Amino acid sequence: NAGVTQTPKFRILKIGQSMTLQCTQDMNHNYMYWYRQDPGMGLKLIYYSVGAGITDKGEVPNGYNVSRSTTEDFPLRLELAAPSQTSVYFCASSDTQTEQYFGPGTRLTVT
Amino acid sequence: RKEVEQDPGPFNVPEGATVAFNCTYSNSASQSFFWYRQDCRKEPKLLMSVYSSGNEDGRFTAQLNRASQYISLLIRDSKLSDSATYLCVVKDNFNKFYFGSGTKLNVKP
Repeated sequence: NAGVTQTPKFRILKIGQSMTLQCTQDMNHNYMYWYRQDPGMGLKLIYYSVGAGITDKGEVPNGYNVSRSTTEDFPLRLELAAPSQTSVYFCASSDTQTEQYFGPGTRLTVT
Repeated sequence: RKEVEQDPGPFNVPEGATVAFNCTYSNSASQSFFWYRQDCRKEPKLLMSVYSSGNEDGRFTAQLNRASQYISLLIRDSKLSDSATYLCVVKDNFNKFYFGSGTKLNVKP
């Protein structure tokens, strides 16, 4: 099993550009999550999903959108990138009886 | 008030030392408890789950006090490789996870 995979690993965006961060898990987990982590800070929940077709906002959803059309995939869309979105983005998955499993992260710089 | 609070440290200890981290959580209905380890610029990884009766995994011992809403992690015989940030994590009954900001540990030779 690959676990949770994320692409790309790194990306530099110009202000106002858009991009999609990809996340895929192969553990058949119902729950998936997107977090951001700024340097020296803790994880902040952006969006989460409890199953295909169901998503909900977390603590810091502004400037982001998600979709969950399949159990495996949970892409995060950034529209009109801003310097404040420079961060490391982690995707994670879990099920009711498990801990969270994290992907390796995407390092995003917006300049 | 934060859901999970931890002392950010850093804790600077010599090799071989015993070090303890604490964390408190605010939601008394929390279901599950974990300690994660995060190395610099890497994803968090599960160190151990925390059970009400306390549990041990090699040099690591975790304790949970539900009445006080308090979780602890004890590391014995610290190794250089234990240097990392330790995250206290609480799961609620809706499968949402709440992370503390982490406690940084530096183990020195």
